[in-house]
Amino acid sequence: EIVLTQSPATLSLSPGERATLSCRASQSVTSYLAWYQQKPGQAPRLLIYDASNRATGIPARFSGSGSGTDFTLTISSLEPEDFAVYYCQQRSNWPPLFTFGPGTKVDIK
Amino acid sequence: QVHLQESGPGLVKPSETLSLTCTVSGGSISSYFWSFIRQPAGKGLEWIGRIHSSGSTNYNPSLMSRASLMSRVTMSIDTSKKQFSLKLTSVTAADTAVYYCAREGPYYYDSSGSDAFDMWGQGTMVTVSS
Repeated sequence: EIVLTQSPATLSLSPGERATLSCRASQSVTSYLAWYQQKPGQAPRLLIYDASNRATGIPARFSGSGSGTDFTLTISSLEPEDFAVYYCQQRSNWPPLFTFGPGTKVDIK
Repeated sequence: QVHLQESGPGLVKPSETLSLTCTVSGGSISSYFWSFIRQPAGKGLEWIGRIHSSGSTNYNPSLMSRASLMSRVTMSIDTSKKQFSLKLTSVTAADTAVYYCAREGPYYYDSSGSDAFDMWGQGTMVTVSS
């Protein structure tokens, strides 16, 4: 099973600052990596799929990069509504198995 | 706009079977893979399994019963009702969580499905307790 590790566990930043979140896989996932945002009491929302493609309706300040085992989610300038928990997720090809990272909490400094 | 809604009992007794249904509205249930994902309070997300509109299924091996060496998970689909369902047997307190249903998407590059979940239900809390 591929294990995803996210760092840091918590990121304390101010609105307007740049956020850089890391996700590392225990073995290569090629580009099958997605990022989600989750706010308290809400379901996760897809931000990025295939490592670098923004989902429908996602603002351009969110960008994803990476391939193989190392991936990054960047929020170029934090808006107040961006303070949330972010999860990365991968899918193994066969048998199909989806796993999530433990999450990074972005909170207000 | 596709909408997913989970329904089912919020309280299940230990050793019994947890049953949930997800109803899809505003879009087609056909030709997609549909999953259940859960999240214990304050913890991360765990994929439980998925079902295609054709009825084919895949389950997370971590939910295999140690006693029977068979999966505790069974999923089914009723395309005429635009619903798919989850049954999780022999539940314990460790199965207490918010359960989400979700659609794989946004793109299917081949018949094996997508690599993400683009639509989610709001989630339903299930507590396992006597």
